[in-house]
Amino acid sequence: GENVEQHPSTLSVQEGDSAVIKCTYSDSASNYFPWYKQELGKGPQLIIDIRSNVGEKKDQRIAVTLNKTAKHFSLHITETQPEDSAVYFCAASRGSGGSNYKLTFGKGTLLTVNP
Amino acid sequence: GAVVSQHPSRVICKSGTSVKIECRSLDFQATTMFWYRQFPKKSLMLMATSNEGSKATYEQGVEKDKFLINHASLTLSTLTVTSAHPEDSSFYICSARSPWTGPPLHFGNGTRLTVT
Repeated sequence: GENVEQHPSTLSVQEGDSAVIKCTYSDSASNYFPWYKQELGKGPQLIIDIRSNVGEKKDQRIAVTLNKTAKHFSLHITETQPEDSAVYFCAASRGSGGSNYKLTFGKGTLLTVNP
Repeated sequence: GAVVSQHPSRVICKSGTSVKIECRSLDFQATTMFWYRQFPKKSLMLMATSNEGSKATYEQGVEKDKFLINHASLTLSTLTVTSAHPEDSSFYICSARSPWTGPPLHFGNGTRLTVT
């Protein structure tokens, strides 16, 4: 089955700096890669996703890059703000059919943005 | 955007009792819903895939008689933790997707179950 590795497990940055979180996956058939932000006591919230036919996607301060050959993808947050502090999860799945959208999650990165 | 509602948000029960958690898709129909379990400071572990009108598919190591899943309509799936024990205490989260738009998966806000 799919295995997703995520690094680092914790990341502390100063407000205004950039943060980068990296993930690798094992299943070459995976073609959908979402990133979720989870605040304490809440469910994960989708912040950005990318499909395997795209190498990069950007939404304001957030961007995701995908290298299919190397099987890794990264989340980039620029101009970080204290409210960006949360746990971030990457995930991977094969994207067709009902149960094939099962997500395999990385272990999460606790991001702390210091004011 | 798509909303998934989960109820209750918190529940405390005594050992040996059963607890039902509801997951509703509020503005779309979900033929497939997923149930996850999350331990403190850990990642989400998929427990089962809930399919409307058919039996749920459980992940390896998840007891189907312990965690009963019913997906009776296109907007509601329920997870019942039967004969709960303290080790069942956890954060349970559901997710759903529209069959017509595919991903992304939308998550509920989770249910914190504490078994005393």
